[in-house]
Amino acid sequence: SQTIHQWPATLVQPVGSPLSLECTVEGTSNPNLYWYRQAAGRGLQLLFYSVGIGQISSEVPQNLSASRPQDRQFILSSKKLLLSDSGFYLCAWWRQGKNIQYFGAGTRLSVL
Amino acid sequence: AQTVTQSQPEMSVQEAETVTLSCTYDTSENNYYLFWYKQPPSRQMILVIRQEAYKQQNATENRFSVNFQKAAKSFSLKISDSQLGDTAMYFCAFMKQGAAGNKLTFGGGTRVLVKP
Repeated sequence: SQTIHQWPATLVQPVGSPLSLECTVEGTSNPNLYWYRQAAGRGLQLLFYSVGIGQISSEVPQNLSASRPQDRQFILSSKKLLLSDSGFYLCAWWRQGKNIQYFGAGTRLSVL
Repeated sequence: AQTVTQSQPEMSVQEAETVTLSCTYDTSENNYYLFWYKQPPSRQMILVIRQEAYKQQNATENRFSVNFQKAAKSFSLKISDSQLGDTAMYFCAFMKQGAAGNKLTFGGGTRVLVKP
């Protein structure tokens, strides 16, 4: 069966520090992968998606970047965090055939 | 670009009663998918129900059912026999069939509170 792992669950970082959030999917190959951000009490904003290794599409201009070094690994990064980067970050993958997007448990990022 | 609108920011319902959440969307596409996701206080996003636009029959999943009105571009979710565990944010989402990257467009969400 397929599973998605996302870590860390919670992160507190000072302004100006780097960021690396990781997401991996098991039990499938070449999935579409996604990074979303959710502000408190708000909807989901798609940040990046990837249809294959090294292929990254950015949906909004921002301080963040994404990479896909392996087929089932998706990384969200920043060189210098801003206060406005605080939020809840969700990774997701698309299951072909079933046509459903499944989500990881999320990372709560606080930039202080 | 497609937009998804959930006009009810918050709703409350008594346990065992029924609540209906509204969702409208704007698209010129004919083939697409619609979804309802639930986000409980844990913030894990969980798929509740999915509807394919080409199917006239409304999708059902246990106590959850939808009323899909394609011409009106409306996709409401009915929760029957509400349970305390149904307390959550509910998000409606749209995806054009064949969209690049299979990207979803989400509505702003409706907070549902089930009262004992």
